[in-house]
Amino acid sequence: EAQVTQNPRYLITVTGKKLTVTCSQNMNHEYMSWYRQDPGLGLRQIYYSMNVEVTDKGDVPEGYKVSRKEKRNFPLILESPSPNQTSLYFCASSLGGHGDEAFFGQGTRLTVV
Amino acid sequence: QQPVQSPQAVILREGEDAVINCSSSKALYSVHWYRQKHGEAPVFLMILLKGGEQKGHEKISASFNEKKQQSSLYLTASQLSYSGTYFCGTAPLGEGGSEKLVFGKGTKLTVNP
Repeated sequence: EAQVTQNPRYLITVTGKKLTVTCSQNMNHEYMSWYRQDPGLGLRQIYYSMNVEVTDKGDVPEGYKVSRKEKRNFPLILESPSPNQTSLYFCASSLGGHGDEAFFGQGTRLTVV
Repeated sequence: QQPVQSPQAVILREGEDAVINCSSSKALYSVHWYRQKHGEAPVFLMILLKGGEQKGHEKISASFNEKKQQSSLYLTASQLSYSGTYFCGTAPLGEGGSEKLVFGKGTKLTVNP
């Protein structure tokens, strides 16, 4: 089954403790993205990647890092999480270009206390 | 810059129709529509491309006015399963494709029996 898998689904952590949210896709997609979703603000892009070792900032990249060492994986790293990073995070993948839809993971609900 | 969606929320009775609008301040190459049910990932509905090409579910219809940078999603004879939050995602000209979508804040649709 074609899917994007995120882990963990839920995470509660403390300020400053480094964490990684994993994202993996099995569709051989070249393009992958991270979004955060906050009430009333919709989905805002954090980072995206167009291929292995090629990443770029989205609209809200501050406080986040990503890496793309393999085509299927695109982890999101919070090196020093703060409470304002409490949010619902989605990973997405697509073939890229304009005519291809994005497939979203199930989401990771992160709470930073 | 995020596209503007209207209305922010709409309540329908089963069988009624609704139109959700999406407006951008930038010239667009494509518009994507997604539906998200509470606690779930956004799910693809439709893509509308510059030049008139469309891709998506047969039971969903939408329009894309390239000159006005506007798109509308038409939900006819609504069913209870249509309830959820609808997001438009836009790909401005020259700024990438599905890997760099900019999403609106969403329109919450509630369909009652």
